[in-house]
Amino acid sequence: NAGVMQNPRHLVRRRGQEARLRCSPMKGHSHVYWYRQLPEEGLKFMVYLQKENIIDESGMPKERFSAEFPKEGPSILRIQQVVRGDSAAYFCASSVWPQGGVYNEQFFGPGTRLTVL
Amino acid sequence: SQQGEEDPQALSIQEGENATMNCSYKTSINNLQWYRQNSGRGLVHLILIRSNEREKHSGRLRVTLDTSKKSSSLLITASRAADTASYFCATDGIGSRLTFGEGTQLTVNP
Repeated sequence: NAGVMQNPRHLVRRRGQEARLRCSPMKGHSHVYWYRQLPEEGLKFMVYLQKENIIDESGMPKERFSAEFPKEGPSILRIQQVVRGDSAAYFCASSVWPQGGVYNEQFFGPGTRLTVL
Repeated sequence: SQQGEEDPQALSIQEGENATMNCSYKTSINNLQWYRQNSGRGLVHLILIRSNEREKHSGRLRVTLDTSKKSSSLLITASRAADTASYFCATDGIGSRLTFGEGTQLTVNP
């Protein structure tokens, strides 16, 4: 039973290019969360998605960032026109139905480390 | 300070000693979780404690929760060099997102 998969593990982009980060949740999980971790800091929530729906995007920057979780295929975090400040580790997590928030164990992927030159 | 703030920021101990890390938070929570992260790696879930629980054990880990003080502690007993990592607490009182603290960097010297 594979865990949460993320690819690529490392991504290097030049300023102005686009970055696409992929996340395949654990089998049977229909909820996906994206977090960003800047160096020497904790993880910061970005967005929460279910299949074909964005539930909570309150942590997403207003511009250049978008996320999707299509009916088929992985969840994609897309960063357009990257800048140096976007350099960070981006983690995806998945969970089963949260059951009203009583219990919400999120399983994390290994992360994608984005470096913007 | 932010939700889920840990202290100390860094802790260095000798192998065999106990390590205690603390976490404070601001808003009401459903659960509090502790995660471990080795340098440059992903997060590993260690333990979850519900808001109606006060103490929980898992192997060499002991977690306490004081909702009146909005704080939690993680105790690692008989530490090993392999315990060297960053430890984060995370709360899930706001919808389904987790709110992480800044972490405690633990170094266990052999």
